[in-house]
Amino acid sequence: EVQLLESGGGLVQPGGSLRLSCAASRFTFSSYGLSWVRQAPGKGLEWVSGITGSGSGTYYADSVKGRFTISRDNSKNTLYLQMNSLRAEDTALYYCAKDISKGASRGPTMLDYWGQGTLVIVSS
Amino acid sequence: EIVLTQSPATLSLSPGERATLSCRASQSVGSYLAWYQQKPGQAPRLLIYDTSNRATGIPARFSGSGSGTDFTLTISSLEPEDFAVYYCQQRSNWPLTFGGGTKVDIK
Repeated sequence: EVQLLESGGGLVQPGGSLRLSCAASRFTFSSYGLSWVRQAPGKGLEWVSGITGSGSGTYYADSVKGRFTISRDNSKNTLYLQMNSLRAEDTALYYCAKDISKGASRGPTMLDYWGQGTLVIVSS
Repeated sequence: EIVLTQSPATLSLSPGERATLSCRASQSVGSYLAWYQQKPGQAPRLLIYDTSNRATGIPARFSGSGSGTDFTLTISSLEPEDFAVYYCQQRSNWPLTFGGGTKVDIK
């Protein structure tokens, strides 16, 4: 079965940076788009960013545009999220999720496999 | 961005009862709506995609319907493992957006 394993979360001060990683296995990595979705403690789901299978297309929520950068290394089957200028409201569990639709150039659609998440806490 | 409003916020039912959850979009999303289930301490699980298609391994008691701006997730007969939070999500326009969730708890 598809596996997604996030890492890189932790405690960071406001204004700081963090890089999340998501190691994927058991599917043809470059054929699927991927997304980051976050969930603040006790709150609902918020889609953060998505990337096409080829990596040529990237998409962001307004709340993170200009601060976060999504990327992927198809040779390493790994997805990344570079987070800069972090704010308290970025505190959340960050999930990596695989798109249900196959296609190297397709943007994010619906998410059929999810990792267990990595926790990011932004606090002084 | 498209806003999804779920109702009710909480649904209190007994095992064996029928659950009907609603999701309303601020503008038409066509048939591009999905439903997810999330249990405490777990990642979300895709139940339904494109309004009415069950994801792999999802039992037949889960069904979805609707189009345009009004959608429904129905659980025909609640099993103990179905008590959870349910979210809808649209893929009609970027950014992808989720509804605020409906918690189905035991009455």
